Amino acid sequence: KAGVTQTPRYLIKTRGQQVTLSCSPISGHRSVSWYQQTPGQGLQFLFEYFSETQRNKGNFPGRFSGRQFSNSRSEMNVSTLELGDSALYLCASSSSPTDTQYFGPGTRLTVL
Amino acid sequence: AQSVTQLGSHVSVSEGALVLLRCNYSSSVPPYLFWYVQYPNQGLQLLLKYTSAATLVKGINGFEAEFKKSETSFHLTKPSAHMSDAAEYFCAVSEDNFNKFYFGSGTKLNVKP
Repeated sequence: KAGVTQTPRYLIKTRGQQVTLSCSPISGHRSVSWYQQTPGQGLQFLFEYFSETQRNKGNFPGRFSGRQFSNSRSEMNVSTLELGDSALYLCASSSSPTDTQYFGPGTRLTVL
Repeated sequence: AQSVTQLGSHVSVSEGALVLLRCNYSSSVPPYLFWYVQYPNQGLQLLLKYTSAATLVKGINGFEAEFKKSETSFHLTKPSAHMSDAAEYFCAVSEDNFNKFYFGSGTKLNVKP
């Protein structure tokens, strides 16, 4: 079974731009979570989707948003990029909200 | 709110030596606890998880962890370190929702030949 895939793997943007990251979960998985990883703040929970509904949200500004499609693929969007948004964004999927999460390789976003 | 403390941002051991990575959590309810490993430029891989069954949890690659409620700890151990164990290790906790994790700050394990 293929693992969680994230595209693109690397991205460079400038301040003020917006960006969309994509996550394709493991086949059959309906829950997708997003995390931000930075050297200063570590790993922080962004949000989680299950069956196209956002069930949980972390403590991030409204510039961070996401959605999930009927095929369970998920996207996250960051608008008005700031330098501090430079991070590795990790996506994880599970078959249900109480099952083990499997992480993708991440998208490394650099904001210049 | 949940919090996870990993003592020691860097741990160095010799190949063949015991590995001990410390994790303490704060939780007002029985938690679900996890250890993940991250190799450079990769995502997180689950090593093991505690879900209120046995307090001693065995994971992959010879790792195990013991849940001690009285000490609010979930330390990760491996009897004999291998060079391939060099990576960053994260402890995570979740309450009633598996998919909202609170991660520790991570411990980088260095294994010396």
